[in-house]
Amino acid sequence: QKEVEQDPGPLSVPEGAIVSLNCTYSNSAFQYFMWYRQYSRKGPELLMYTYSSGNKEDGRFTAQVDKSSKYISLFIRDSQPSDSATYLCAMPQAGTALIFGKGTTLSVSS
Amino acid sequence: GAGVSQSPSNKVTEKGKDVELRCDPISGHTALYWYRQRLGQGLEFLIYFQGNSAPDKSGLPSDRFSAERTGESVSTLTIQRTQQEDSAVYLCASSLGPGGETQYFGPGTRLLVL
Repeated sequence: QKEVEQDPGPLSVPEGAIVSLNCTYSNSAFQYFMWYRQYSRKGPELLMYTYSSGNKEDGRFTAQVDKSSKYISLFIRDSQPSDSATYLCAMPQAGTALIFGKGTTLSVSS
Repeated sequence: GAGVSQSPSNKVTEKGKDVELRCDPISGHTALYWYRQRLGQGLEFLIYFQGNSAPDKSGLPSDRFSAERTGESVSTLTIQRTQQEDSAVYLCASSLGPGGETQYFGPGTRLLVL
């Protein structure tokens, strides 16, 4: 089992839809959880960063962490065509690099 | 301010040739990372530099891959005797410190080995 699992999609939704992106992980030592967004032919950029279980909201984006289930989610409300990108979950190993999911490719049509 | 920059942005080479990829991190960032992203795949960790400590090379896939970093500045990733399976986007990131610090990524170098 990979340490971080993420359904690669692709996921296609109409403008205005609520999008749910998910990752599961196996290492209970992970304490920080990140979501990166990657536009085509660009490097990933940090979108959301959470530490504890529960919800964190930033505008139209909500990150949710359930440590008991080892499950994290990113919700996008009122999705826009500009949200079309690949979304990668990531978790830092202690003192070293990030472990990434494969990424979910999202397409929002107008 | 300036972000992480990488050069070249694209590189096409023939199988068996050596290539050198460059990364300029954000000034003041002590940590620098190299990742590889194959088509349709997530980012795969290659190597990590933190200050003057010995680098974490645990992600390098073979001894054809090596990397250097000059102090807390520029880093170069070298791939010797390239193979077609080395074709990928090579991404560099830097952060203020290790662990949970936010990593800022460059745009990547797209390597194609013919």
